[in-house]
Amino acid sequence: GAVVSQHPSRVICKSGTSVKIECRSLDFQATTMFWYRQFPKQSLMLMATSNEGSKATYEQGVEKDKFLINHASLTLSTLTVTSAHPEDSSFYICSAAPSGRDPDTQYFGPGTRLTVL
Amino acid sequence: GQNIDQPTEMTATEGAIVQINCTYQTSGFNGLFWYQQHAGEAPTFLSYNVLDGLEEKGRFSSFLSRSKGYSYLLLKELQMKDSASYLCAVSDSNYQLIWGAGTKLIIKP
Repeated sequence: GAVVSQHPSRVICKSGTSVKIECRSLDFQATTMFWYRQFPKQSLMLMATSNEGSKATYEQGVEKDKFLINHASLTLSTLTVTSAHPEDSSFYICSAAPSGRDPDTQYFGPGTRLTVL
Repeated sequence: GQNIDQPTEMTATEGAIVQINCTYQTSGFNGLFWYQQHAGEAPTFLSYNVLDGLEEKGRFSSFLSRSKGYSYLLLKELQMKDSASYLCAVSDSNYQLIWGAGTKLIIKP
């Protein structure tokens, strides 16, 4: 149980295009999902917290107009990188917190590798 | 299928040593990560092992045996601030991360 999937697993796009990444909790409902970006030295940076049915909360320094987050259901959150540029190339990871359980419990997705040419 | 196993919860005493084990079965292997996550915060990178052996980094050490599909994180001279969840994650043949459910470490005075 507690499986989180991401789609696509990897994507290559041209500079200036938009890319949508999906994060799904497969066997549980998640009121809250988190989006992270992994940097080359393996550290994870929290980009935003996504709450079902409400606006996402973005961390300082993350452009909300560039990284659009939609949490339309209890099992799906999407991250859209708009007008992507090479510096947006990274490994994006989501996690999901099961509804009604310890809010500090998170299950992580496998990540999406974005390469912007 | 792919899976990572680590204990759900461990308790240790301040000043002591604790070893958190992680066993894995994945399609391919491109390294194993350990992260520390305090409640309400993003995970903090602790270590990355891709070759067998022990890597020491201050009070924390991480060991890997690829043939056994096994790793452990060793924490010495435990401090109260080490109370956190410890996540084991393996990068598979496609460089996807397979995550363990995390081990909640409770440190008692």
